[in-house]
Amino acid sequence: EAQVTQNPRYLITVTGKKLTVTCSQNMNHEYMSWYRQDPGLGLRQIYYSMNVEVTDKGDVPEGYKVSRKEKRNFPLILESPSPNQTSLYFCASSFAGTLDYEQYFGPGTRLTVT
Amino acid sequence: AQRVTQPEKLLSVFKGAPVELKCNYSYSGSPELFWYVQYSRQRLQLLLRHISRESIKGFTADLNKGETSFHLKKPFAQEEDSAMYYCALSLGANNLFFGTGTRLTVIP
Repeated sequence: EAQVTQNPRYLITVTGKKLTVTCSQNMNHEYMSWYRQDPGLGLRQIYYSMNVEVTDKGDVPEGYKVSRKEKRNFPLILESPSPNQTSLYFCASSFAGTLDYEQYFGPGTRLTVT
Repeated sequence: AQRVTQPEKLLSVFKGAPVELKCNYSYSGSPELFWYVQYSRQRLQLLLRHISRESIKGFTADLNKGETSFHLKKPFAQEEDSAMYYCALSLGANNLFFGTGTRLTVIP
C-alpha cells in the first residue's frame, strides 16, 4: 500500500531532550516536506527536500533540523525542544517537477514538550 | 506575507443547503491552487486542484484571477462533508502554502 508513515504518533517529552520524528514513504517520491499544524495558524512548512541530500528551509525552520540521506526517509530532529514546539506535525511527499504534484500526507505526530 | 486567506474559521450549514468555503490568495503570477480536506481522525488528503478542473464529491472550485479567489462550492451539503478544509497555493517547486483552514459542520 502506497503510504507515508510517521513515528512516533504521540510523544511527550521535556524541554531540552533531543528527539527525532521519523518519516518514510514507499512511493519513490523525490519531494518530502515537514509541516506543523497549530490552531488558528493552519499548516506551516518547516523544511522540505527536493531530493537526496537537498534540503531547504520552509516558513518556520527555527529549532528544527532535517536530513535526507535516503530517498524514502526524511527525519525531523529537534535538538533542544521547547514548549513552543508543542504541535501536530505532518510529513508529506510527492513527485517533483511536474504539475501532478499531489502531496501525500502522513498520519501526524502529536508532540508535547513540557 | 499571508499568501492564502480563509476568512471563516468555522462554517455551519444544514444538510441539503449550498455551501461555499472562501479562499483568497496573493500572488501576481499564475498560481497553482488546491483544496485539501481532513476528515475526523484521518490524514490530510487532496480534494481537488484547479488545473484539472474536476469535480470531486460534488465539490467544485473556480479560479478567479480578477478577484484572486478560489472558493470551494457544493450545491447540496451532506453530513459526510463535515471536515476541516484547507486552501493551498503552490508557487512552484512543489512547496505548498496553506491557509488557516475552515471547519465545516453540516447539521442534519
